[in-house]
Amino acid sequence: DQQVKQNSPSLSVQEGRISILNCDYTNSMFDYFLWYKKYPAEGPTFLISISSIKDKNEDGRFTVFLNKSAKHLSLHIVPSQPGDSAVYFCAASVGETSGSRLTFGEGTQLTVNP
Amino acid sequence: NAGVMQNPRHLVRRRGQEARLRCSPVKGHSHVYWYRQLPEEGLKFMVYLQKENIIDESGMPKERFSAEFPKEGPSILRIQQVVRGDSAAYFCASSPAGRRNTIYFGEGSWLTVV
Repeated sequence: DQQVKQNSPSLSVQEGRISILNCDYTNSMFDYFLWYKKYPAEGPTFLISISSIKDKNEDGRFTVFLNKSAKHLSLHIVPSQPGDSAVYFCAASVGETSGSRLTFGEGTQLTVNP
Repeated sequence: NAGVMQNPRHLVRRRGQEARLRCSPVKGHSHVYWYRQLPEEGLKFMVYLQKENIIDESGMPKERFSAEFPKEGPSILRIQQVVRGDSAAYFCASSPAGRRNTIYFGEGSWLTVV
């Protein structure tokens, strides 16, 4: 039962353009969402998060959008840089406080071409 | 990765042997989590511990796997009588108490069972 799904295993984008990574979830109890970035042979690194009381959160080049009615969130990276090439994981939890288990999607491999 | 230290980074075990993975959380973090990533999959929650207590082990396989976070020393994930299907990357993460559910991952321990 995959409660968080990232339907695109890979995405290729030109440097300077926008990267849009998508994530869908099925559990309506999820109320906190995060994006992590992962390089090969390293642990995931936290990027940005959003609470269900918001529909947008922005941090520099990264913006996360949440559409609760569609149970969909997306991560926008603009402008994309070659160093952004990595696997991006979407994650969700019930509750925002420490200890709430995170449910991850399968990941999307982003490649930014120079 | 905010200082979560895992060792060993790579471990090779023969079928039937025991694997022991260690994790030292970020200084001051009292919550520790273990996640597993099987090849071509996302991260799956295994267990959430606080000092001397297992809070949520709903993601742990029922047999052969155990975890602890003693009062002193690192958290240990122990896999007894390993099988080939245990080959995976095991990630430890930590977070401070009472904060937003943003956990910080270590670089992972890669277990290969031959």
